[in-house]
Amino acid sequence: GNSVTQMEGPVTLSEEAFLTINCTYTATGYPSLFWYVQYPGEGLQLLLKATKADDKGSNKGFEATYRKETTSFHLEKGSVQVSDSAVYFCALSDDNQGGKLIFGQGTELSVKP
Amino acid sequence: KAGVTQTPRYLIKTRGQQVTLSCSPISGHRSVSWYQQTPGQGLQFLFEYFSETQRNKGNFPGRFSGRQFSNSRSEMNVSTLELGDSALYLCASSLGTSGTSYNEQFFGPGTRLTVL
Repeated sequence: GNSVTQMEGPVTLSEEAFLTINCTYTATGYPSLFWYVQYPGEGLQLLLKATKADDKGSNKGFEATYRKETTSFHLEKGSVQVSDSAVYFCALSDDNQGGKLIFGQGTELSVKP
Repeated sequence: KAGVTQTPRYLIKTRGQQVTLSCSPISGHRSVSWYQQTPGQGLQFLFEYFSETQRNKGNFPGRFSGRQFSNSRSEMNVSTLELGDSALYLCASSLGTSGTSYNEQFFGPGTRLTVL
C-alpha cells in the first residue's frame, strides 16, 4: 500500500540556519504530496502542496519539489526562525477527492535563538 | 468563515466505556475525515464520510464507527474503550468533490481522549 517515510527528529537548529527535512513516498499512480505543520496544542495546517511531478510548492519561505524519479518531497527553508518550531508532517493523497491522507511519522523541529 | 470545530476538546473515560466525538465542518464542505494521532503510531486515517456515506475506511477495528448528518456534521463513536485508544482525534473537512484540483483538508484542533 501507499506509505510515507520522513526523517526522524527531533531536529535542533540555530536561528537563521538552513533546514532540510527529508520525505520519501511509495505509491501507485500519481499522488498529490503535502507538508503539514502542527504547533503545540493545535491541529494541522497545510504548509504547501504539489499535485504533479516537478511541481514546486512554496509558502512562508518553505519549499518542496515533487521528484517522481526519486519519489521524494523534501522540505527546505533557507533561514529558520524560532517561530518555525513545530512538528512537520509529510503526507500524500492518492485521489483528488481529498478524503484520505497518508502521513509520515512527523519530524519535530526546535529552533534556538 | 468559521473553521472546523470539534467537541469536546478533552475527555477522560475508563476502560469498557464508549465515547462519542463531534465534528462540525467548514460551511459548504461535504467531506469529513477522521484521524487518530498517537506518539507511537503517528497520524492514522480512520474513515471519511461524504454526503452521509462512508467513502473511505482505514484499518481500525469495528469498535470505531462514525456517521454524518445531512448538515455534514459528523460524529465518531468508540465502543468498549481500551487503554490504547488514548489519543488525539482529529477531524478534517474538505469540499470532497472530484476534479482536477486537489480538495484541501482543513483540520480542527482535535479532541484529546484519555482512557484510564
